[in-house]
Amino acid sequence: NAGVTQTPKFQVLKTGQSMTLQCAQDMNHEYMSWYRQDPGMGLRLIHYSVGAGITDQGEVPNGYNVSRSTTEDFPLRLLSAAPSQTSVYFCASSPRAGRNTEAFFGQGTRLTVV
Amino acid sequence: GNSVTQMEGPVTLSEEAFLTINCTYTATGYPSLFWYVQYPGEGLQLLLKATKADDKGSNKGFEATYRKETTSFHLEKGSVQVSDSAVYFCALSDRKGGSEKLVFGKGTKLTVNP
Repeated sequence: NAGVTQTPKFQVLKTGQSMTLQCAQDMNHEYMSWYRQDPGMGLRLIHYSVGAGITDQGEVPNGYNVSRSTTEDFPLRLLSAAPSQTSVYFCASSPRAGRNTEAFFGQGTRLTVV
Repeated sequence: GNSVTQMEGPVTLSEEAFLTINCTYTATGYPSLFWYVQYPGEGLQLLLKATKADDKGSNKGFEATYRKETTSFHLEKGSVQVSDSAVYFCALSDRKGGSEKLVFGKGTKLTVNP
């Protein structure tokens, strides 16, 4: 079972470059989200989507864009990378955006901006 | 808004020792509470959850009880194993903007030595 698949696993960018982190899930989940994980900060929500065509901002959205054209895919775009965006990024999906719903996480993308 | 505070660690124990990781929360209403675990090099996965006061979540020998009076959800295990070495995150569901989101604590790294 694939679950939530993130690519790439590792990436090094130069300041000012752009890139897209890919996230795909094969569980037909409505709800998808992106988090960043930084030492001592836990996980912070960047953007989320409650269904195809619907996205919204989380806690730390600046510098990131998302779109949700299909149920399966939820890419995260860095428009102009900055060293402050060095982090580990996790994509997650849930069957729905409910209070009792388990989130399923990908294995993460470790991004370094130099 | 809603928030989670957990002991930051790191925590180092010997095999078969008793484990407690403290977690307290601040919330309006009655959120669901979760413990997620992150094994080295992997994404987060749900360990256990509780959806209302006095509920006890349990899985793989771990337990946590939803205590409304003390706003706590402490994680316990009677006898840890080397394979329990991981980072543990306490989380709650937070309803904002019409949908539920997960709010995470900063994580507690557990190392179990043989």
